[in-house]
Amino acid sequence: AQSVTQPDIHITVSEGASLELRCNYSYGATPYLFWYVQSPGQGLQLLLKYFSGDTLVQGIKGFEAEFKRSQSSFNLRKPSVHWSDAAEYFCAVGFHFGNEKLTFGTGTRLTIIP
Amino acid sequence: DVKVTQSSRYLVKRTGEKVFLECVQDMDHENMFWYRQDPGLGLRLIYFSYDVKMKEKGDIPEGYSVSREKKERFSLILESASTNQTSMYLCASSFSGLNTEAFFGQGTRLTVV
Repeated sequence: AQSVTQPDIHITVSEGASLELRCNYSYGATPYLFWYVQSPGQGLQLLLKYFSGDTLVQGIKGFEAEFKRSQSSFNLRKPSVHWSDAAEYFCAVGFHFGNEKLTFGTGTRLTIIP
Repeated sequence: DVKVTQSSRYLVKRTGEKVFLECVQDMDHENMFWYRQDPGLGLRLIYFSYDVKMKEKGDIPEGYSVSREKKERFSLILESASTNQTSMYLCASSFSGLNTEAFFGQGTRLTVV
């Protein structure tokens, strides 16, 4: 069965600092990979996705992620965080074929300090 | 814009009650999903549907059922609510096929007392 690991439960960074959120997956074939963000009391919003091709993916709000097959990783990065980036971030993996169910990681809560 | 609408943001129900959570999408998506979100556990799939009247169990279907009579609507049913079903419930929908993404509703926070 596929699985997703987000090893950091909570990360605190200063406004303006760089950010990297880690995501590792376990899946037998090339996966679909996603990062979603959830602001307090809200649903999930897609930040970016990887299906194939260029392994560096650009998303909304200045985020990017890099797919590294050798490390089974899909880490999310942002060069300079803003206070509005405080939220919970979820990595997810999907099947390449068949029904498009997503398996989610447990999430990383991001706190921004002034 | 894609819109996935969940009928209630907050619900409080009593133990043993039958509870209906409703979800409607306006993008003609084939797939619809119900997830449960709990702190430290992320999102866990309860049920999904890939077509009208079709459903498949997800990872945690016990205590839940679903109904999809129309393409745009997917209902989650708690036959007899229990306190351990207190949670945030998220509905999502997507197109079928490759290169699709899921769109989520705002969530329903259900408290069972």
